[in-house]
Amino acid sequence: NAGVTQTPKFRILKIGQSMTLQCAQDMNHNYMYWYRQDPGMGLKLIYYSVGAGITDKGEVPNGYNVSRSTTEDFPLRLELAAPSQTSVYFCASSYRDEAFFGQGTRLTVV
Amino acid sequence: DQQVKQNSPSLSVQEGRISILNCDYTNSMFDYFLWYKKYPAEGPTFLISISSIKDKNEDGRFTVFLNKSAKHLSLHIVPSQPGDSAVYFCAAWGPQGSNYKLTFGKGTLLTVNP
Repeated sequence: NAGVTQTPKFRILKIGQSMTLQCAQDMNHNYMYWYRQDPGMGLKLIYYSVGAGITDKGEVPNGYNVSRSTTEDFPLRLELAAPSQTSVYFCASSYRDEAFFGQGTRLTVV
Repeated sequence: DQQVKQNSPSLSVQEGRISILNCDYTNSMFDYFLWYKKYPAEGPTFLISISSIKDKNEDGRFTVFLNKSAKHLSLHIVPSQPGDSAVYFCAAWGPQGSNYKLTFGKGTLLTVNP
């Protein structure tokens, strides 16, 4: 049982480049989340989804976009990467309150 | 506006003693409260939760207490072990705006010294 799978694990981007962080879950969860964790800080919600075709902004959505075309996948798109987006990104999914997390993607923007 | 607050960034305890991690919240509509544990270079993992209609939940060495009138919960670890050293996140589940979602505190780094 794979749970929540994030790819890639590491990435270095140049300022202004774009990329998509992939997230897939095999637990048939309706809720999916994207969080970022900056050094010494907690988990800040970027975007979340309550089901296929439904997404909503979290606390820090600027500079990001998401889509949820299937129950399993919830990709996070970074457009025009900026140094402020250097962070560790975590995807999570849940049936309701108990969320399962992926291993994270460490992104550096230089 | 931070709805889930962990005011202690770090805590250090001796092996075998009790660790008490605290969390405060502002939204009285939260239904469930959860604690997650995070090791470096790994994703957070679920540890224990409590429903808003209860005041205590116990699972082995871990007990969570909820004081709704004070909007406060705490995680007790007894006895503490070196393997418990990690960042602990408090989280709350409930309606915020038009949807339910999970909101996290900033975390507390627990160090258990042998």
